[in-house]
Amino acid sequence: DTAVSQTPKYLVTQMGNDKSIKCEQNLGHDTMYWYKQDSKKFLKIMFSYNNKELIINETVPNRFSPKSPDKAHLNLHINSLELGDSAVYFCASSPRVAPGNTIYFGEGSWLTVV
Amino acid sequence: QKEVEQDPGPLSVPEGAIVSLNCTYSNSAFQYFMWYRQYSRKGPELLMYTYSSGNKEDGRFTAQVDKSSKYICLFIRDSQPSDSATYLCAMTDDYKLSFGAGTTVTVRA
Repeated sequence: DTAVSQTPKYLVTQMGNDKSIKCEQNLGHDTMYWYKQDSKKFLKIMFSYNNKELIINETVPNRFSPKSPDKAHLNLHINSLELGDSAVYFCASSPRVAPGNTIYFGEGSWLTVV
Repeated sequence: QKEVEQDPGPLSVPEGAIVSLNCTYSNSAFQYFMWYRQYSRKGPELLMYTYSSGNKEDGRFTAQVDKSSKYICLFIRDSQPSDSATYLCAMTDDYKLSFGAGTTVTVRA
């Protein structure tokens, strides 16, 4: 009964492949996020959806495409993977879009591109 | 220059010591300040939350915010080996969090 769950936890793939990471939250939250954490532990927001609508789209290559089929799910699809995409990707959720929201993170998906 | 600066450490202390962590920031509009703890191979979890300036205490943890200096800090008293983790500061004036780089702390038994 993990609150924010994402799969797979570990993913090793070759350059040029397309891969997806799935995320689900059972907290009843309206807002979901994708964050990227690089090798220096720096966390940076990529996307945010509120009730299935895209509200944050940071400067991310368009090879990255989020998809929210419903407000409990936010998946991340990555096309034509590059070495620089190797990182940890965290899915997260918050109750709503409001200043100072508490954000709840999943356990992370470790992506290694070889 | 990053919006939020945090010394990545690493920081190694003996059990029972006081751990002091801090972040500085440049955006004077920030009003909400948080500390997240991240264990190895896990996601960040919220540890402390402070609105505007002031102190907040929760058990062995104390968070302080000084908006005039654009400086926040976290103190961990009577540190335990289980406190070994990376601590990330985060802050915002809306719903987009800006994170520090995280400080890795090891508490030696």
